[in-house]
Amino acid sequence: KAGVTQTPRYLIKTRGQQVTLSCSPISGHRSVSWYQQTPGQGLQFLFEYFSETQRNKGNFPGRFSGRQFSNSRSEMNVSTLELGDSALYLCASRLTGEAFFGQGTRLTVV
Amino acid sequence: AQSVTQLGSHVSVSEGALVLLRCNYSSSVPPYLFWYVQYPNQGLQLLLKYTSAATLVKGINGFEAEFKKSETSFHLTKPSAHMSDAAEYFCAVSDLLTGGGNKLTFGTGTQLKVEL
Repeated sequence: KAGVTQTPRYLIKTRGQQVTLSCSPISGHRSVSWYQQTPGQGLQFLFEYFSETQRNKGNFPGRFSGRQFSNSRSEMNVSTLELGDSALYLCASRLTGEAFFGQGTRLTVV
Repeated sequence: AQSVTQLGSHVSVSEGALVLLRCNYSSSVPPYLFWYVQYPNQGLQLLLKYTSAATLVKGINGFEAEFKKSETSFHLTKPSAHMSDAAEYFCAVSDLLTGGGNKLTFGTGTQLKVEL
């Protein structure tokens, strides 16, 4: 069974640009969550999607958004990038119990 | 909101020695607790989970953790460390949210170093 797949693995963007990250959950998992990991703030919850609906959102500005498609694949978008958005973005999929994480997308904003 | 505290941001052990990584939780209801491991530039891999079925939980790679309600602790142990255990370890608690979903709240992580 394939795990959670995140693409791309690495990204370099310039301040002010926007970026879209993709996550394909484990087959059959309908819940997809996104987390941001930085050295200063640690692992922080961004949002959770379930059946194409955002079910919960963390304490992040509106520049961070996401969506989920009918096949449960999810994308997150960050607009007007800031240097502080440089982080490892992790996607997790869940059926009913534990969350399984992808390898992450390392975003560097220059 | 639930929270977890990991004592010791860095722990160093000798190969073959006992590994003990500490985690204390704060929760008003019986929690779901997890330990994850992260290798450099990788995602999080689930080591084990506590879901109230048994207080001693066995995970992968020889790790186990004991849930102690009286101490609000969920410490991770391994009897004999191996070089391949060097990584960062995160304790997490599952927060049920009003929207019907849940989120994980993580501790700040413990970097485990294994020395020859």
